Amino acid sequence: NAGVMQNPRHLVRRRGQEARLRCSPMKGHSHVYWYRQLPEEGLKFMVYLQKENIIDESGMPKERFSAEFPKEGPSILRIQQVVRGDSAAYFCASSPRGSTDGTQYFGPGTRLTVL
Amino acid sequence: AQSVAQPEDQVNVAEGNPLTVKCTYSVSGNPYLFWYVQYPNRGLQFLLKYITGDNLVKGSYGFEAEFNKSQTSFHLKKPSALVSDSALYFCAVRDPSDYKLSFGAGTTVTVRA
Repeated sequence: NAGVMQNPRHLVRRRGQEARLRCSPMKGHSHVYWYRQLPEEGLKFMVYLQKENIIDESGMPKERFSAEFPKEGPSILRIQQVVRGDSAAYFCASSPRGSTDGTQYFGPGTRLTVL
Repeated sequence: AQSVAQPEDQVNVAEGNPLTVKCTYSVSGNPYLFWYVQYPNRGLQFLLKYITGDNLVKGSYGFEAEFNKSQTSFHLKKPSALVSDSALYFCAVRDPSDYKLSFGAGTTVTVRA
């Protein structure tokens, strides 16, 4: 059973460009979470999605950031007009539908560098 | 609001010695508690969790953790550390009424041969 897949693993963008990060959850998982890890910090929650629904985006910056989890295909975290402060590791996690404790399994992350 | 504190940025132990990584938490209800390990340039790997039941939880790679409600702690332990245990360890808490994990800042463990 493949784990959570994320791509690309490393992404370099210049200021003002767009970054698109992809996440495929584990097989059988329908809940997806995005977290951001800034240098020297722990992970911070960004957004929680189920298929075609954003359940909670309270951790996401109000501007430039958006997320989706379409009926078909991976979840996408999109960052428009990137700035240097967006440089971080972005982790996706998934959990199975109906799980009582919702243990989240993490992908390898996408390390975004903004030049 | 829920939060986690990992009071030690770094823990250094000799191989074969016991390893303890400390974690305290704050949550409004009964907590769901988790430990994850992160190796360099890798994602987080799930180690163990406490949901309910026995306060001593056993997990992967010989790790265990003890839930102490009165001290609001969930320390990670391993009786005999290996060099390969050197990594960054994160404690996380979740309120059962929520789904967001709140993470500590992490503790870097270095096990010397």
